[in-house]
Amino acid sequence: EVQLVESGGGLVQPGRSLKLSCAASGFTFSDYAMAWVRQAPKKGLEWVATIIYDGSSTYYRDSVKGRFTISRDNAKSTLYLQMDSLRSEDTATYYCARPWYDGTYYYWYFDFWGPGTMVTVSS
Amino acid sequence: DIVLTQSPTTLSVTPGETVSLSCRASHSIGTNLHWYQQKTNESPRLLIKYASQSISGIPSRFSASGSGTDFTLNINNVEFDDVSSYFCQQTQSWPNTFGAGTKLELK
Repeated sequence: EVQLVESGGGLVQPGRSLKLSCAASGFTFSDYAMAWVRQAPKKGLEWVATIIYDGSSTYYRDSVKGRFTISRDNAKSTLYLQMDSLRSEDTATYYCARPWYDGTYYYWYFDFWGPGTMVTVSS
Repeated sequence: DIVLTQSPTTLSVTPGETVSLSCRASHSIGTNLHWYQQKTNESPRLLIKYASQSISGIPSRFSASGSGTDFTLNINNVEFDDVSSYFCQQTQSWPNTFGAGTKLELK
């Protein structure tokens, strides 16, 4: 059974840093690209960042470029999101999500999601 | 960025009704459009991929259609369990974007 479990969320002051983790199990983590998607309270979904299977390429939305870093440890089946210079508008539930992979091609819709971890940026 | 506009924002229906939810893209996205269901305090669940392709384990009362800029999610014989928000997502271009969602309520 595929499982994604996020951790590391919490209350943080503006300008400070936070690092999220996502522990994956039930599939060959090193075969899959992975992503972070966030959802501000009572709002819609917003893609944040994606990393390909071996970590050699990463993609970010403009509003987090230069502040957030997505990374992975395939030996630990864990995805990370280092968030620096946090702003109030980063307040959201952060989901770890798995883009579909059919063994040959990657597709950018998400077939599994974690339960999410809440990040609140406030003084 | 491609903007996805979902309508209506909220839909109030009677169990047993058939409903249609709309998602319109600001630019043509072919069939690179996917639908998710999100129940309150839960993570999203994939319902439909590539505009109309069904997903294993999703009830057959969910179907979808469309291409280009206009897409529709249909729910036949709405059940109490369908109370959720529904989001569309485009993967035609980066950044992948989501619509703001349609919230389905029961009367």
